Amino acid sequence: GQNIDQPTEMTATEGAIVQINCTYQTSGFNGLFWYQQHAGEAPTFLSYNVLDGLEEKGRFSSFLSRSKGYSYLLLKELQMKDSASYLCAVSTNRDDKIIFGKGTRLHILP
Amino acid sequence: EADIYQTPRYLVIGTGKKITLECSQTMGHDKMYWYQQDPGMELHLIHYSYGVNSTEKGDLSSESTVSRIRTEHFPLTLESARPSHTSQYLCASSLGQLPREQYFGPGTRLTVT
Repeated sequence: GQNIDQPTEMTATEGAIVQINCTYQTSGFNGLFWYQQHAGEAPTFLSYNVLDGLEEKGRFSSFLSRSKGYSYLLLKELQMKDSASYLCAVSTNRDDKIIFGKGTRLHILP
Repeated sequence: EADIYQTPRYLVIGTGKKITLECSQTMGHDKMYWYQQDPGMELHLIHYSYGVNSTEKGDLSSESTVSRIRTEHFPLTLESARPSHTSQYLCASSLGQLPREQYFGPGTRLTVT
């Protein structure tokens, strides 16, 4: 079957660094996405990894290990506005249909 | 900024009514998607389309139907609404053959009484 696991909730302090992990077991792999979703709003795209390694984009970085079925999203210099859910999603084939994890709700404390 | 629109944003309707949720995008994207999401839960794909006259059912069984007569328009219809249809419905689109990021509309929050 297809399965994407990520922690349900995490808490971190403003200004700190937090790492959100995602493990996946899917039939086929064609890339991994991270999305941010604020409460009551639509998801917005953060990053895409298809090759092993680290992709850095400002305060956010995403890492992928295909052999381990593992990814993480690293958020640096946390701000209060980073309080949101972070969704890990996997594209399992070439037709761009992706499977979403349940999301990690991140709480930022002042 | 993504140009994908959904109407209505909020809808409260009685059981048995027929409803259509509208989704339009002005980005020329060939692929469009409908997701269902309950509060605090994951997104479930219910329908998708790879282009005009192409529609497929997603991973979550749904009693809704969709059509794709124009590239920019992907409406979702419920012939007879039930309380179990109460949820948030999110439309998304993406471009091209390779996996690419999906742009989401603001969503329609549907309540069936």
